[in-house]
Amino acid sequence: AQTVTQSQPEMSVQEAETVTLSCTYDTSESDYYLFWYKQPPSRQMILVIRQEAYKQQNATENRFSVNFQKAAKSFSLKISDSQLGDAAMYFCAYRSGTSGSRLTFGEGTQLTVNP
Amino acid sequence: GAVVSQHPSWVICKSGTSVKIECRSLDFQATTMFWYRQFPKQSLMLMATSNEGSKATYEQGVEKDKFLINHASLTLSTLTVTSAHPEDSSFYICSARDSGQFDRFSIQYFGAGTRLSVL
Repeated sequence: AQTVTQSQPEMSVQEAETVTLSCTYDTSESDYYLFWYKQPPSRQMILVIRQEAYKQQNATENRFSVNFQKAAKSFSLKISDSQLGDAAMYFCAYRSGTSGSRLTFGEGTQLTVNP
Repeated sequence: GAVVSQHPSWVICKSGTSVKIECRSLDFQATTMFWYRQFPKQSLMLMATSNEGSKATYEQGVEKDKFLINHASLTLSTLTVTSAHPEDSSFYICSARDSGQFDRFSIQYFGAGTRLSVL
């Protein structure tokens, strides 16, 4: 079974600065997808970014980018120019590319953005 | 973007009563929907996978008779918490996968969640 681990329960960053959230996963599969979801205080889950395992190029979405290290099974999220609205719980998630579409979530990292 | 509507957003009920939560995909069809439970400051725990026109697949440890799932159409799945008790109080979230997208690229879209409080 796949597992996803987020070792940072809480992180904080100053507004306009950069922060990196860590995520590691364990799988024996070669075909899979990785996601970062954001859950603000409203508790609405919002997709931030996704990465296909077969792509070597790291995904980027505006101020959000990932560092995908397939051999190390690491998938960190970098938030640049942090904004107050980035404050939320961030979840890393894994999805198999071959067996179903269920997501396996990490424990989450609570990000605080200080003005 | 795709929208998933979940209703109600908050429900309070008495112990022993049943509560139904609806999850609708508004602008896409979803053959597969998912139901999660989330405790405060914790991650999402998958309860069951809801498949249109067939029985739901429950995760280990989830009581099928307690949490009834019906996925009667391509845009609607319902979760009924039967004979609710205070320990069922939690935040329930649904998600839906767009059947129109190739499976390799499909994304799960989430509802806004339902807070259930059982007195």
